[in-house]
Order: sequence, then C-alpha cells, then structure tokens
Amino acid sequence: EAQVTQNPRYLITVTGKKLTVTCSQNMNHEYMSWYRQDPGLGLRQIYYSMNVEVTDKGDVPEGYKVSRKEKRNFPLILESPSPNQTSLYFCASAPLREGNQPQHFGDGTRLSIL
Amino acid sequence: AQTVTQSQPEMSVQEAETVTLSCTYDTSESDYYLFWYKQPPSRQMILVIRQEAYKQQNATENRFSVNFQKAAKSFSLKISDSQLGDAAMYFCAYIRGTYKYIFGTGTRLKVLA
Repeated sequence: EAQVTQNPRYLITVTGKKLTVTCSQNMNHEYMSWYRQDPGLGLRQIYYSMNVEVTDKGDVPEGYKVSRKEKRNFPLILESPSPNQTSLYFCASAPLREGNQPQHFGDGTRLSIL
Repeated sequence: AQTVTQSQPEMSVQEAETVTLSCTYDTSESDYYLFWYKQPPSRQMILVIRQEAYKQQNATENRFSVNFQKAAKSFSLKISDSQLGDAAMYFCAYIRGTYKYIFGTGTRLKVLA
C-alpha cells in the first residue's frame, strides 16, 4: 500500500529535550515536505526536499532541522523544543513528474511541548 | 509573495443541498496549480480536486467541482448533494513550480441532517 508513515503519532515532552519525528514514504517520491498546522493559520511549510541531500526552507523553518540522506526518509528534528512548537505536524511526499502532482500526506504527529 | 485567503472560517449546509466554499489567491505568475484538500476529524489530508491554471475548463470530481476565475484569482469549491461524510475542514492550496505550497487557513464545513 502506498503511504507516508510518520512516527510518533503523539508526543508530550518538555522544553529543551531534543526530539525527532520520523517520516518515511514507499512511493519512490523525490519531493518531501514538512508542515505544521495551527488553529486559524492553516498549514505552513517548514522545510522541503527535492531529492537526496537537497533541502530548502519553507515559510517557518526557525527552530527546526531536517536531513535527506535517503530518498525514502525525511526526519524532522527539534534540537531544543519550545512551547511555541506545540502543533500538529504533517509530512508529505510527491513525485517530480511533469506538471505539479498532488502531495500524499502522512497521518500527522501531535506534539505538545511543556 | 503569494497568499491564499479563505474568508469563511465556518459554513453549514443541509444534507442533500449545495454549498460553495470560497478561496482567493494572490500571485503574479501565469502558470500555477490549485488544490482543494479535505481534512475530516481523523485529521488525514485528502485531495479533493486540482486545477491547472492554464486550463480554461473547470475541474470536476463527482459531486465536487470548482469555479476557477483566473482573472479574478478566485478558486471556489462547490459541493453538490452534500452528505454527512462531507463534514470536514477544507483547505485551498496554491503551488507554482518550486514546490513551495501555500495553504489557506481553512473552512470548517458542517453538514446538518
């Protein structure tokens, strides 16, 4: 089954404790992206990657890191989480064929930073 | 900078009736793509419909159709014969080439039995 898998689905942690949210896709997609969703703000792009070792900032990259060492994986790293990073996070992927293709989304990760 | 505006935070529709969700966007580009995504309470993001800006014809997917007005930069979603399962948050999204997606703030649709 074609899917984007995020882990964990839920996480409650404390300020300053480094955490990683994993994202993996099995569709051989070149493009992957991370979003955060906050009430009244919609989804905002954090980082995206066009291929292995190619990443770029979205609209809200501060406080986050990403890496793309393998095509299928695109982890999101919070080195020193703060309460304002409490949010619902989505990973997504898409192929880079001619014409923009819609993204496939993971099921989301609910992060609470205390 | 590109922006996407959904001016209706919440809307209601009677079951079997028709509802239109509005979306406007701001861009100086001529070639781009627009999407509507549905997010039910399960919080999954589900593609509803997509529109290529170079196509004059409005996209249609079963009960879902769009009214794409390029000059007015408007991209509304019409849901016909509304069903209880249509209740969700709906997001309008814009993308041009670089794969930087811009999402609107969403419209929560309630379907009344």
